[in-house]
Amino acid sequence: AQTVTQSQPEMSVQEAETVTLSCTYDTSESDYYLFWYKQPPSRQMILVIRQEAYKQQNATENRFSVNFQKAAKSFSLKISDSQLGDAAMYFCAYRAYSGAGSYQLTFGKGTKLSVIP
Amino acid sequence: DAGITQSPRHKVTETGTPVTLRCHQTENHRYMYWYRQDPGHGLRLIHYSYGVKDTDKGEVSDGYSVSRSKTEDFLLTLESATSSQTSVYFCAISEGEQGQEKLFFGSGTQLSVL
Repeated sequence: AQTVTQSQPEMSVQEAETVTLSCTYDTSESDYYLFWYKQPPSRQMILVIRQEAYKQQNATENRFSVNFQKAAKSFSLKISDSQLGDAAMYFCAYRAYSGAGSYQLTFGKGTKLSVIP
Repeated sequence: DAGITQSPRHKVTETGTPVTLRCHQTENHRYMYWYRQDPGHGLRLIHYSYGVKDTDKGEVSDGYSVSRSKTEDFLLTLESATSSQTSVYFCAISEGEQGQEKLFFGSGTQLSVL
């Protein structure tokens, strides 16, 4: 079974600074997807960024980028120029590329990010 | 929000009573999912559906049943609610072409079982 581990329950960052959230995962598959979701206090789950395992290039979305290390099974999220609105729970998630498991997202336990003005 | 509406937003019920949560979507998505979120566990899949009357179990399906009689509605039923089912429940849909799918979530239902 796949597992996703977020080793940092809480983190904080100064406004306008950069912060990196860690995520590691365990799988025997070679093709899969990885995601970061943001959950603000409103409770809405918001997709931040998505990475296909077969792509070597790291995904980027504006101020959000990932460092995908397939051999190390590591998928960290970097937030640049942090803003107050970035304060939220962040969840790392894994999904198989095909087969029965491709319909299920496996989530980590989350990292609570605080942004200090 | 990918046209997803969950109802109710909040519900308080007593142990042993049946509870049904509704997920409604307006964009004809084929795949729909029910997740629960608990502190220290992230989100875990309960059941999912890949079409009308086509459903399957997820990671934590015990104590739950689902039904999908039409494309737009996916119902989650707790036949006899227990305190361990106190949680936030999220409905989700898959959007995009095969291999490019992304999951979008509803706003969640906070369920408290007393």
